[in-house]
Amino acid sequence: DQQVKQNSPSLSVQEGRISILNCDYTNSMFDYFLWYKKYPAEGPTFLISISSIKDKNEDGRFTVFLNKSAKHLSLHIVPSQPGDSAVYFCAALSNSGYALNFGKGTSLLVTP
Amino acid sequence: SQTIHQWPATLVQPVGSPLSLECTVEGTSNPNLYWYRQAAGRGLQLLFYSVGIGQISSEVPQNLSASRPQDRQFILSSKKLLLSDSGFYLCAWGQAAEAFFGQGTRLTVV
Repeated sequence: DQQVKQNSPSLSVQEGRISILNCDYTNSMFDYFLWYKKYPAEGPTFLISISSIKDKNEDGRFTVFLNKSAKHLSLHIVPSQPGDSAVYFCAALSNSGYALNFGKGTSLLVTP
Repeated sequence: SQTIHQWPATLVQPVGSPLSLECTVEGTSNPNLYWYRQAAGRGLQLLFYSVGIGQISSEVPQNLSASRPQDRQFILSSKKLLLSDSGFYLCAWGQAAEAFFGQGTRLTVV
């Protein structure tokens, strides 16, 4: 069963605007969340993370928000750039888990 | 700094043939090692993970197996490939919450 869900398979945003990628999870034991970015034919690369003790983490143009009560997190990219076009994976980990649980990914296209 | 090597980058194999994908990590000791597969519509699916030499845990029943003969070497194998084994295979290592991925192997079974 999919414990981490990214319900939007794709998203198209104009350059300069905000991109918002959403992620929901079902396992209340998850306490650490990450976003990975993946280009075609390459391995995913770590983008940003957030611990369950926080509700926001910001790194440059990227901000991740966590709403524990709703079991929801989102990644905001502002301003979006064409180089941000990639597949974004949400991932989660519990403190007793060995491996990340990934969502199916959202393909972001930033158009000039 | 730590690096992870995975090869080959692409592979085309006939149905029923064996498979061996190799992954090695440099610059760290006793890492947790993982094999993931990215299949269409399935996202990144964990296949195997290992917390030490000879210690392999399988997440899903399948036609594949994994081995860890050395601390920083992780091998994904199959005795007889199926068409459904086609996909993008990723090796990763981690020591805390994060995972660091190799470049991946695109396997096409024909």
